[in-house]
Amino acid sequence: KAGVTQTPRYLIKTRGQQVTLSCSPISGHRSVSWYQQTPGQGLQFLFEYFSETQRNKGNFPGRFSGRQFSNSRSEMNVSTLELGDSALYLCASSLVQDQTDTQYFGPGTRLTVL
Amino acid sequence: QKEVEQDPGPLSVPEGAIVSLNCTYSNSAFQYFMWYRQYSRKGPELLMYTYSSGNKEDGRFTAQVDKSSKYISLFIRDSQPSDSATYLCAMNSGGYQKVTFGTGTKLQVIP
Repeated sequence: KAGVTQTPRYLIKTRGQQVTLSCSPISGHRSVSWYQQTPGQGLQFLFEYFSETQRNKGNFPGRFSGRQFSNSRSEMNVSTLELGDSALYLCASSLVQDQTDTQYFGPGTRLTVL
Repeated sequence: QKEVEQDPGPLSVPEGAIVSLNCTYSNSAFQYFMWYRQYSRKGPELLMYTYSSGNKEDGRFTAQVDKSSKYISLFIRDSQPSDSATYLCAMNSGGYQKVTFGTGTKLQVIP
């Protein structure tokens, strides 16, 4: 079974631009979560989608948004990029996302904002 | 104060040593505890999962939870160079609530 895939793997943008990252979950998985990983803050939860609905949201500004499609693929968008948005963005998928459910992570998208 | 505190290391040990990795947390609602391993340039992978106080063993790995002290540990016996990675603790309060991660401890096992 193929794992979680994320595209692109690397991205360089400049301040003020916007970016869209894509995540394809494991086949059959309906929950997709997004995380931002930085050396100082570690993994921080952005949001979680299940069956095209956002169920949970972390403490990030409205510049960070996401969506999930009917095939469970998900995208996240960051508008008006800031230098501090440079990070590894990780996507994780699970069957339903509850306490008994394992999250499987993708390799991440490394975003650099210049 | 962060909800989950984890010593970032780096921790360097000789091959064969017993490694102890620890996290403390402040949210008493956390009921489910996980340890992830993350190799360089890869996403985290789940190592251990537990929801009760006490010990859970899986091969060379033992996860320990002390809810009264809000303290969790991961022990690695007979550490191998292939164990060199960043170890992240994670926890949530159940249901489909968000998972809160520690910042990770970088471990290096020297042959």
